[in-house]
Amino acid sequence: AQSVTQPDIHITVSEGASLELRCNYSYGATPYLFWYVQSPGQGLQLLLKYFSGDTLVQGIKGFEAEFKRSQSSFNLRKPSVHWSDAAEYFCAVADTGTASKLTFGTGTRLQVTL
Amino acid sequence: EAGVAQSPRYKIIEKRQSVAFWCNPISGHATLYWYQQILGQGPKLLIQFQNNGVVDDSQLPKDRFSAERLKGVDSTLKIQPAKLEDSAVYLCASSRDSSPLHFGNGTRLTVT
Repeated sequence: AQSVTQPDIHITVSEGASLELRCNYSYGATPYLFWYVQSPGQGLQLLLKYFSGDTLVQGIKGFEAEFKRSQSSFNLRKPSVHWSDAAEYFCAVADTGTASKLTFGTGTRLQVTL
Repeated sequence: EAGVAQSPRYKIIEKRQSVAFWCNPISGHATLYWYQQILGQGPKLLIQFQNNGVVDDSQLPKDRFSAERLKGVDSTLKIQPAKLEDSAVYLCASSRDSSPLHFGNGTRLTVT
């Protein structure tokens, strides 16, 4: 069965600083990978997804993520964080052949200091 | 397009009581999921519907949880009787074919 590990429970960055959130997955083949963001009291919003092709994927709100098969990683990055980016971030993996049946990591809570 | 609608937003009940949550997916989305998100954890799949049929309910605690999706549109998730450990946010999500999920804002359940 697939699984996702997000090693960082909580990260604090200063506004304007760069951000990298780590995600490692376990899956037998090339998975479908996702990053979602969840603001307090809200549902999850899709930031970006990787299915195949270019290993660097661009998402909404200036986020990007890079798929590295050799490291089983799909880290999320942003060059300059804004205070409004403070939220919970979830990495998820889906079975090949479906993009909707997801297994989530435990999440990383991002705090942004001014 | 309208998003996934869930109600109620919040519910507080005592243990051993029953509770029901409602979800209206995005129009045309055949696949519907219920996820349970306990505080500090990622969402965990409870049940997957394709139209009005159950595809996967392997992680649904069937002794107390039940779900239905009559007519392949709206869905209801019920807990009876509730336990303290059922306190969580219950998220409904829908998708068209194998496209990425769209989530509702969830129902936050507190069992006292």
